[in-house]
Amino acid sequence: GAVVSQHPSRVICKSGTSVKIECRSLDFQATTMFWYRQFPKKSLMLMATSNEGSKATYEQGVEKDKFLINHASLTLSTLTVTSAHPEDSSFYICSARDRQGPTGELFFGEGSRLTVL
Amino acid sequence: AQSVAQPEDQVNVAEGNPLTVKCTYSVSGNPYLFWYVQYPNRGLQFLLKYITGDNLVKGSYGFEAEFNKSQTSFHLKKPSALVSDSALYFCAVREYSSASKIIFGSGTRLSIRP
Repeated sequence: GAVVSQHPSRVICKSGTSVKIECRSLDFQATTMFWYRQFPKKSLMLMATSNEGSKATYEQGVEKDKFLINHASLTLSTLTVTSAHPEDSSFYICSARDRQGPTGELFFGEGSRLTVL
Repeated sequence: AQSVAQPEDQVNVAEGNPLTVKCTYSVSGNPYLFWYVQYPNRGLQFLLKYITGDNLVKGSYGFEAEFNKSQTSFHLKKPSALVSDSALYFCAVREYSSASKIIFGSGTRLSIRP
């Protein structure tokens, strides 16, 4: 099946710093990637839809200036958590939809656990 | 608007017994339905999907799911549970439109006891 690589898998940072998480589709092209946030024992919260070559579409309640998303190519999307605070600590997961796939299931990265001290 | 519900936070089953994880959905058009599994500190893995055709869909690791249009359900099943099946399971739905987002249920934690 299709592979999505997410990096880093774990990151610890100090409050006030920025952290970048990368999401790559390794064997397919993804015009659309999605960023989710998962709280402990909770479902996935869709944060934003990342579209190649255009601005991301953010879900209601998600601060676009806080969570910067860039989708510079058909295989790479990045999420930057700016001026991170402890409440931003969470598990962030990206996913990508194969543009050639007829049915549109998502393929997920392994997730990135962010801990803000 | 589309939505999906997983009524059970947790399902406990003895190894070797059949298991069912419930899912109901709501969409305005034809649904695409999915099941994903998540192991601790990992991303989601695709298990199976329903698009059209046979209502009984077979997927990875011996799992299957039955699409029931009248009950708007897509329950996940396995005839004989394994301890290694213990994980968090998510049902997901999107409408028959390439522009639609996939919406996830709240997840069901499956625990298989030896």
